Amino acid sequence: GENVEQHPSTLSVQEGDSAVIKCTYSDSASNYFPWYKQELGKGPQLIIDIRSNVGEKKDQRIAVTLNKTAKHFSLHITETQPEDSAVYFCAASSGQETSYDKVIFGPGTSLSVIP
Amino acid sequence: ETGVTQTPRHLVMGMTNKKSLKCEQHLGHNAMYWYKQSAKKPLELMFVYSLEERVENNSVPSRFSPECPNSSHLFLHLHTLQPEDSALYLCASSQDFGAPYEQYFGPGTRLTVT
Repeated sequence: GENVEQHPSTLSVQEGDSAVIKCTYSDSASNYFPWYKQELGKGPQLIIDIRSNVGEKKDQRIAVTLNKTAKHFSLHITETQPEDSAVYFCAASSGQETSYDKVIFGPGTSLSVIP
Repeated sequence: ETGVTQTPRHLVMGMTNKKSLKCEQHLGHNAMYWYKQSAKKPLELMFVYSLEERVENNSVPSRFSPECPNSSHLFLHLHTLQPEDSALYLCASSQDFGAPYEQYFGPGTRLTVT
């Protein structure tokens, strides 16, 4: 089955700097890669996702890149702000709509943005 | 506010107790999920319901028993739990079941088994 690894487990950056979180996956059939953000006391919330037919996707200060050959994908946050402090989860699945394919989550990265 | 509510938010129970967790979604979604979140571990999918029918049971011990009486409500019945079952239990829903559909998570129930 699919296995998703995520690094680093903790990350501290100064406000205004960039943060990068990297994930690898094992199943070459995976083609859907969402990223979730979990703030303290809340459940995870989708912030961006990417499909395998796209190499990069941006949404304001966040971007995700995908390298299908190497089976890794990354989350990039630019101009970090204190409200970006949270736990970030990457995930992977084969993304089929006609059958259930589990979304397999990575173990999470705890990001701290220092003012 | 994600449209998914969970009660109670915190629960302490003994190993011989029976309790239930409740989840309600106000989004008109057809699929609902239970996840277990333990420290330093990935989210573990426990159960999936689509249109009130269980479509996934991820090798969860029988001391956890789910119930989905309608597409808006999901319960997790707990009995004779073990200390290692202490964790944050998250409920989620999505428009339909399947990976491309965004999952909306509730805030979770923090369970402590003593």
